[in-house]
Amino acid sequence: AQKITQTQPGMFVQEKEAVTLDCTYDTSDQSYGLFWYKQPSSGEMIFLIYQGSYDEQNATEGRYSLNFQKARKSANLVISASQLGDSAMYFCAMRTNNAGNMLTFGGGTRLMVKP
Amino acid sequence: NAGVTQTPKFQVLKTGQSMTLQCAQDMNHNSMYWYRQDPGMGLRLIYYSASEGTTDKGEVPNGYNVSRLNKREFSLRLESAAPSQTSVYFCASTLRQGPGREQFFGPGTRLTVL
Repeated sequence: AQKITQTQPGMFVQEKEAVTLDCTYDTSDQSYGLFWYKQPSSGEMIFLIYQGSYDEQNATEGRYSLNFQKARKSANLVISASQLGDSAMYFCAMRTNNAGNMLTFGGGTRLMVKP
Repeated sequence: NAGVTQTPKFQVLKTGQSMTLQCAQDMNHNSMYWYRQDPGMGLRLIYYSASEGTTDKGEVPNGYNVSRLNKREFSLRLESAAPSQTSVYFCASTLRQGPGREQFFGPGTRLTVL
């Protein structure tokens, strides 16, 4: 069975500073993908970044980067230069072939950016 | 290009009533999904349709039925609503199977069962 764990229910970060949101995963599959989504207070799910299990380099998308440590089964999201608009819930998710291609989500981390 | 659309946006039901949540995507995606999100939690998969004509149970299918009407549309039906089904329901779609593609989500339907 697949499992995603986000151990930080809530975090504060000062505006313009960097922040790391933790995500660990558990799967016996060799091929899988890791995703991060942002959910602002308006409720929509916004895709941020993707990392494939065979990707040798860490994924980056603008101010978002994914610190992928395969041996430790962690896929932490790093947000650089935080902005007030980054305040939201952040969800880590995983998809494997054997899981019927569904996304398994973690419980989320609420990030609050302080001015 | 509207992406993934869901109707209705809000709904209040009484226990025992039935309703159907509608979802449509215009991105020519093969796979479609229904999730529920309870307060303070991540999303959990109810049902999914890997391709037109197929549907499969997810993590929490009890109390729900689905229909993949065509490639564009995937509906979720509550036959006899219960207060435990109070949640926000998200429909999602993706172009192909495999780990590589993100899922695109609709705006959600907020359902309250009294």
